[in-house]
Amino acid sequence: DVQLVESGGVVVQPGGSLRLSCEASGFNFHSYAMSWVRQAPGKGLEWVAAISPSDGTIHYTPGVEGRFTISRDNSKNTLYLEMENLRVDDTALYFCAKESLQWLFQFRFDSWGPGTLVTVSS
Amino acid sequence: EVLLTQSPATLTLSPGDTATLSCRASRPISEMLAWYQQRPGQSPRLLIYDTSNRAAGIPARFTGGGSGTDFTLTISSLEPEDFGIYYCQQRSNWPPVTFGGGTRVEVK
Repeated sequence: DVQLVESGGVVVQPGGSLRLSCEASGFNFHSYAMSWVRQAPGKGLEWVAAISPSDGTIHYTPGVEGRFTISRDNSKNTLYLEMENLRVDDTALYFCAKESLQWLFQFRFDSWGPGTLVTVSS
Repeated sequence: EVLLTQSPATLTLSPGDTATLSCRASRPISEMLAWYQQRPGQSPRLLIYDTSNRAAGIPARFTGGGSGTDFTLTISSLEPEDFGIYYCQQRSNWPPVTFGGGTRVEVK
């Protein structure tokens, strides 16, 4: 069974930095593009960033470009999100999400982790 | 950026009723629209992709349709586990991928 488990969410002050991790199991991690999607408390879903399986192609939503960095270590089956210069409005539950098809950016997310909560507050 | 507007914001229905959810895109998105269900305290679950294709394990009571800018999700004969929030999502014009604001289906 596919499993995605996020970690690294904490309370951080505005302007601070954080790294989130997502450990994957139950599928060929190196074959799938992966995304981060976030959900502010009581709000809807917002796609944040995506990374290709192996060639390093990356896409971001405009609001985080230059502050967030998505990366992956296929040898560790782990996806990362480095977040810098955090703002109060970055407060959210951060999900990692797996593509449904191998190799391609399809943005069709067939598996999600339970999420990790990032709170940006002074 | 493609904006997705979902309506209504809330549907109040009884088990056994039929729910019809709407998603309107700010410009044509072909058929590249998906629907997700999020039950309270859970992660989203893919229901429908490319407008009308049910994801693996999704019951036949979930039906997607539409084209261009107007899309619908119909849930026939609501079961207790169907109550939650439903989001549409487009992948026609990216980045960014965008989601609608959600429709809450609640018990009458």
